[in-house]
Amino acid sequence: SAVISQKPSRDICQRGTSLTIQCQVDSQVTMMFWYRQQPGQSLTLIATANQGSEATYESGFVIDKFPISRPNLTFSTLTVSNMSPEDSSIYLCSVLRGRWDTEAFFGQGTRLTVV
Amino acid sequence: DAKTTQPNSMESNEEEPVHLPCNHSTISGTDYIHWYRQLPSQGPEYVIHGLTSNVNNRMASLAIAEDRKSSTLILHRATLRDAAVYYCILSLSLAGGGADGLTFGKGTHLIIQP
Repeated sequence: SAVISQKPSRDICQRGTSLTIQCQVDSQVTMMFWYRQQPGQSLTLIATANQGSEATYESGFVIDKFPISRPNLTFSTLTVSNMSPEDSSIYLCSVLRGRWDTEAFFGQGTRLTVV
Repeated sequence: DAKTTQPNSMESNEEEPVHLPCNHSTISGTDYIHWYRQLPSQGPEYVIHGLTSNVNNRMASLAIAEDRKSSTLILHRATLRDAAVYYCILSLSLAGGGADGLTFGKGTHLIIQP
């Protein structure tokens, strides 16, 4: 398995500020993803974090709002920029150890509240 | 990705089998069927996956219809710890692993009564 640590686990932020969420994996992984789970909703894929290149964003998500870094095979960050109350969600990191693996692992998530 | 349809919620008694249905009538020949579950206040966890044949693992069994337009996740003996939201997901990847990320539907909220 892959053990994923996300920091912070939760935060309350003022609107207009930015928050960077960290995702640390205990082993090297091929694929890293970021998801958003709005209150009472299912998970939505934000982007694929690519090592050494720009992340690949899903429709409706843009780099200016959700910049992502992935400097190596075990670490990634997601920044939620210029936050508004609508950004209040749980943000989750997910990994695949190998590109052709069939089991994705998820972190516990970061619960963000914007006031 | 092809769409899946699941009941919003189901209720079962502890220590009884649970059958969670999923309809995927527009499934393509290369779509794998994945099941994940999300326990309260946790990230999703993998349960099982399959392509055409029925599958068993330590957590559950997956029964796939012959025409692949539906599948059923079977928990053989539900415990209180199995109370979670269960997601049925189709993956376009031949590897089935969702290398392009997973598309979650609304899932089924499973309630276990003691």
